[in-house]
Amino acid sequence: DAKTTQPPSMDCAEGRAANLPCNHSTISGNEYVYWYRQIHSQGPQYIIHGLKNNETNEMASLIITEDRKSSTLILPHATLRDTAVYYCIVRVGSGNTGKLIFGQGTTLQVKP
Amino acid sequence: DGGITQSPKYLFRKEGQNVTLSCEQNLNHDAMYWYRQDPGQGLRLIYYSQIVNDFQKGDIAEGYSVSREKKESFPLTVTSAQKNPTAFYLCASSKKNSGANVLTFGAGSRLTVL
Repeated sequence: DAKTTQPPSMDCAEGRAANLPCNHSTISGNEYVYWYRQIHSQGPQYIIHGLKNNETNEMASLIITEDRKSSTLILPHATLRDTAVYYCIVRVGSGNTGKLIFGQGTTLQVKP
Repeated sequence: DGGITQSPKYLFRKEGQNVTLSCEQNLNHDAMYWYRQDPGQGLRLIYYSQIVNDFQKGDIAEGYSVSREKKESFPLTVTSAQKNPTAFYLCASSKKNSGANVLTFGAGSRLTVL
C-alpha cells in the first residue's frame, strides 16, 4: 500500500501562501492523491485531488511532480480559518472500493 | 441541503454496555465508511460498505459491528468487546465511480466510556 509522509507541523503568516509538502514515493500509476483538512473536533473536509496533472479549485492548488513521488498543496492566501490538520492521502485499491488511509497529517498554524 | 448526519454528537456510557452510533446520508452515495480517531492521531478505518447488505472490515474492526440494510443508513455498534471504546467516531460516504473516491464526512460522534 502506498504511504505518505508529511511534516508534523508548519506555520504560515496570514495572507501569505501556505505550501504543504507530501511524499508518496511508492505511489502506483492509477492511485490518486487526495488532500483533506480537519478543523479541531470536526469531520474532515475534502480539499482537492489529482492523478498526474496539477489541479486548482476555489480552495487550493495541487502540484504533483512529474514522477508523482511527491506533491504540494498550496493555499494561496492563508487566513486564520485555514488553521487545521491537513491530510495527504493516496488511495488504496480501485473504483470506489478503495479505502482512504489517513496518517497523522500536518498541523498548519496560520498566525496573524 | 444534502449531507451526512451523525447522532448523537456526544455519548456517555458505562463500561460493558453496547452502544449504537447512527449515520444517515441523503447524498445518494453508494459507499459508506466508519473511522475512529483518537486524540492527536489520524483516522483509522473500522468498516466500510460499498452496497446495501454488504460490508467489509477495515483495519480495526474488532469489537465493532455494522449493518447496511438501507442505502442511506450505516449504523455502527460499539460492543463490550471493544477494549478502548472512548474515541471520536466519523462516518463518511462516497459516490460510486471508476475514478476518484471523494469522501464526504459527518460532524462526528464523541463517545466516552466511564
